[in-house]
Formats: sequence, C-alpha cells, structure tokens
Amino acid sequence: AQKVTQAQTEISVVEKEDVTLDCVYETRDTTYYLFWYKQPPSGELVFLIRRNSFDEQNEISGRYSWNFQKSTSSFNFTITASQVVDSAVYFCATRISSGSARQLTFGSGTQLTVLP
Amino acid sequence: KAGVTQTPRYLIKTRGQQVTLSCSPISGHRSVSWYQQTPGQGLQFLFEYFSETQRNKGNFPGRFSGRQFSNSRSEMNVSTLELGDSALYLCASSSGGTDRVNEQFFGPGTRLTVL
Repeated sequence: AQKVTQAQTEISVVEKEDVTLDCVYETRDTTYYLFWYKQPPSGELVFLIRRNSFDEQNEISGRYSWNFQKSTSSFNFTITASQVVDSAVYFCATRISSGSARQLTFGSGTQLTVLP
Repeated sequence: KAGVTQTPRYLIKTRGQQVTLSCSPISGHRSVSWYQQTPGQGLQFLFEYFSETQRNKGNFPGRFSGRQFSNSRSEMNVSTLELGDSALYLCASSSGGTDRVNEQFFGPGTRLTVL
C-alpha cells in the first residue's frame, strides 16, 4: 500500500516570499509516479507537476520547482515569489506505474495562504 | 478540448435516500475514476471504470456503485445515504490506455450534503 504524508497543515506567507511544501511518501513499489495538485476554493483539482521514480532530476518550471529525493522518500514543492492567486490547498499524490491500478493516493493537503 | 464536466454541482439529500452523480470525461478519454473528499478522511479513491468495466475499486461499502456507458460517460450511485456521505465527489478522466503516465484530469466536483 502507498501512503503520503504532508506534515504542514497550513502555511501563511506574504506575497513575493518563497514557500516550500513538504511531502513524504511510502511505497513498496519500485516504479511509481509522484504528483502535485492544487485545489483552489472552486474545488477542482488542478494538475501541477509529475515526476517518475526513475528521474530524480529536479527542475524548475516558471515559479514552480520541485526537489525529489528517493533516499529520503521526499518530493517537496517550491513556489518562488508567491502571489495571492497561489492561495489554495496543495496535495501531493503518488501512483504506481505498473499494472492497471491507476488510482492516486493523496496526502492530507497543505492549505497555503498568500497575504497581500 | 472541453474539460471534465460533472452534474449536478450541488445536491442536498436526506438520510435514506439515494443519489446519482454524473461525469462526462474529456473527449477521447476512456477511463473515469471517482474520488470522495471529506474533511476527516481527505481524498479517497472510490472506483475506476475503463471501457464500461470496473477496473479498480477502493475500500467503500457496497452502497457506492457506478457504471460507465459506451460514450465513456460515467455515473456514480449512492444508496441509503448516511450523514457521513456528505462530501465533495470528484471525477477524474484519463486516456486509460497503454500510455504509462495516464494523466488524470479532474472535474469541478459535486458537493453532496446529506441532512
């Protein structure tokens, strides 16, 4: 079984600050995917980033970057120069990459509030 | 492409009633997954349908059921509603084929309130 832990329940920052959201996962599978989703007040889950277990290269995409470390089972997500519109609940999720099981296992989410 | 649509967006029912929620996936997508989101349990997987067949099922009682039609639209049914069924029900669409990634795209959800 897979498990995702997001220890930060709520984070509050002032606009333009950088913020890092932590994610620790557990899985017995050797191949898997990791995701970050954003859920604004409207409720829809918006896909942000995906990383597979074979690729530990960390990247930057616009104001988003992520730090995947297999050795510590962590998949942290950073927003640079935060904006008020970034206020939302952020979910980390994992999914195995083999077989037909396509379901996502989500963490409990981190509520990010960006203050003007 | 149009996104995932879910109807209705809001629903109020009373205990003991049954409810049917609908999800239309992205055109061309053959897989539809359902998730329940509650403050206490978070986001939990209900089931997945692919080509009109249930492919995976989460740990929910038999009161929760679903089906998928030939046009890939899916419905989810909850019978004998309980107060604890109050939740946001999210539908996710993916190609579901041999593509390894099978990105899931979510709809806006149906907010169900059971009184």
